[in-house]
Amino acid sequence: ETGVTQSPTHLIKTRGQQVTLRCSSQSGHNTVSWYQQALGQGPQFIFQYYREEENGRGNFPPRFSGLQFPNYSSELNVNALELDDSALYLCASSWGGVTYNEQFFGPGTRLTVL
Amino acid sequence: QQQVKQSPQSLIVQKGGISIINCAYENTAFDYFPWYQQFPGKGPALLIAIRPDVSEKKEGRFTISFNKSAKQFSLHIMDSQPGDSATYFCAAAWPGSARQLTFGSGTQLTVLP
Repeated sequence: ETGVTQSPTHLIKTRGQQVTLRCSSQSGHNTVSWYQQALGQGPQFIFQYYREEENGRGNFPPRFSGLQFPNYSSELNVNALELDDSALYLCASSWGGVTYNEQFFGPGTRLTVL
Repeated sequence: QQQVKQSPQSLIVQKGGISIINCAYENTAFDYFPWYQQFPGKGPALLIAIRPDVSEKKEGRFTISFNKSAKQFSLHIMDSQPGDSATYFCAAAWPGSARQLTFGSGTQLTVLP
C-alpha cells in the first residue's frame, strides 16, 4: 500500500508568481484535502476534492485553487503569491463518506515566498 | 465557534512520566476528535481518535479522555519516552460535507532521557 506523496519537497518563489503543488493520494482513497501550516501553528483547511469536485472550502481567497484527476491525485495552485503564503502545504487523503473521517497526511511541500 | 483551543504550548517531562495535553472546543456539532503527532519535516500522523459517544479510548500508552459536558478532551501519554518528543495536535471535525479537520495550535513535547 502506497502512502500519500507530495511534490516538490521544497519550493522558493517570489511575490506575485504562481505555484503548483502536487499530491498523490493513498491507494484506495478518493478524497484529497489540502491544508496550510504556518510555522509554529496547526494546519488550516484550504479545500477538499471528492471525486474530482470541490467538496468544501475553508477561509482562503480564490487565488487558491485546485484540481483532482480521475486517478484521485490532486493539484493545489496559488496565484499572485504573497509573503504570507510561506508555509508547509499538506495534503491528506481519505475515503469519502458520511462517517469515515480518518485522514492520512503526506510529508508536505515547504513553500517559501521571497 | 470553529476553534479548538490547545494547551500547554510546550511540555517537558521526564522519561517514564505521564504527558497530558488538553483541548477545548465550542462547536457542539463536532463529532470526531483525533490526535495527531508530527515530527520535524514530516506531515502529521494519526495517533488516536475518539467519537463523543465514549468517554475514554486507550491504545497502548496513549489514552484520550473525553468530557462532552465540559466540551474538553485530553491526550495522556503514559510511560513517556524520548522517542515521543514531537509536536502534538488535537483536532475536531463536524459532519459537514467535507468533514474538514479544525486543528489546535499544537503542543511541543520534550521527553528528557
